[in-house]
Amino acid sequence: EAQVTQNPRYLITVTGKKLTVTCSQNMNHEYMSWYRQDPGLGLRQIYYSMNVEVTDKGDVPEGYKVSRKEKRNFPLILESPSPNQTSLYFCASSKILGTYTDTQYFGPGTRLTVL
Amino acid sequence: EDQVTQSPEALRLQEGESSSLNCSYTVSGLRGLFWYRQDPGKGPEFLFTLYSAGEEKEKERLKATLTKKESFLHITAPKPEDSATYLCAVQAKTTDSWGKFQFGAGTQVVVTP
Repeated sequence: EAQVTQNPRYLITVTGKKLTVTCSQNMNHEYMSWYRQDPGLGLRQIYYSMNVEVTDKGDVPEGYKVSRKEKRNFPLILESPSPNQTSLYFCASSKILGTYTDTQYFGPGTRLTVL
Repeated sequence: EDQVTQSPEALRLQEGESSSLNCSYTVSGLRGLFWYRQDPGKGPEFLFTLYSAGEEKEKERLKATLTKKESFLHITAPKPEDSATYLCAVQAKTTDSWGKFQFGAGTQVVVTP
C-alpha cells in the first residue's frame, strides 16, 4: 500500500530534550516536506526537500533541522524543543514532474507536546 | 508577500443545501492551486489541482474553479459525509523556491441531516 508513515504518532517531552520525528514514504517520491498545523493558522511549511541531499527552508524553519540522506526518509529534528513547538506535525511527499510537484500525500500526523 | 485567505472560517449546511467556499490568493505568479480535505485527527487528502485561470475540475459533489485572484470550491447537494475541513494551498512560480507551499487556514464544513 502506498503510504507516508510518521513515528511517533504522539509524543510528550520536556523543554531542551532533543527529539527526532521520522518520516518514510514507499512511493519513490523525490519531493518531501514537513508542516506544522496550529489552530487558526493552518498548515505552515517548515522545510522541504527536492531530492536526496537537497533541502530548503519553508516559512517557519527556526528551531528545526532536517536531513535527506535516503530518498525514502526525511526526519525532522528538534535539537532543543521549546513549548512554542507544541503542535501537530505532518510529513508529505510527491513526485516531481518537470518543474511541478504532483499531488502531495500526507502522513497521519505527529502530535507533539513540549512541557 | 504570498498570502492565502479562506472564507468563511466555518460553514454549517443542511443536507442538500449547496454552497461555495472561497480561497483568495496573492502570489507572484501562480504555479498551481490545490484543494485538500482534512478529517479530524487525519492528514489532508488531495482533491484537486488547478493551474490556470478558467480551469475547472469536478469530483462527485465537488467542483473547483480558478480565476486570477481566487478559487471556489462548490459543494452541490452536500451529504453528511462531506463534513470536513477544506484546505486551499498555492505554489508560486518563483524560480528559486518552487517547492514552497502556502496554505490557507481552512474552512470547516458541517453538513447536518
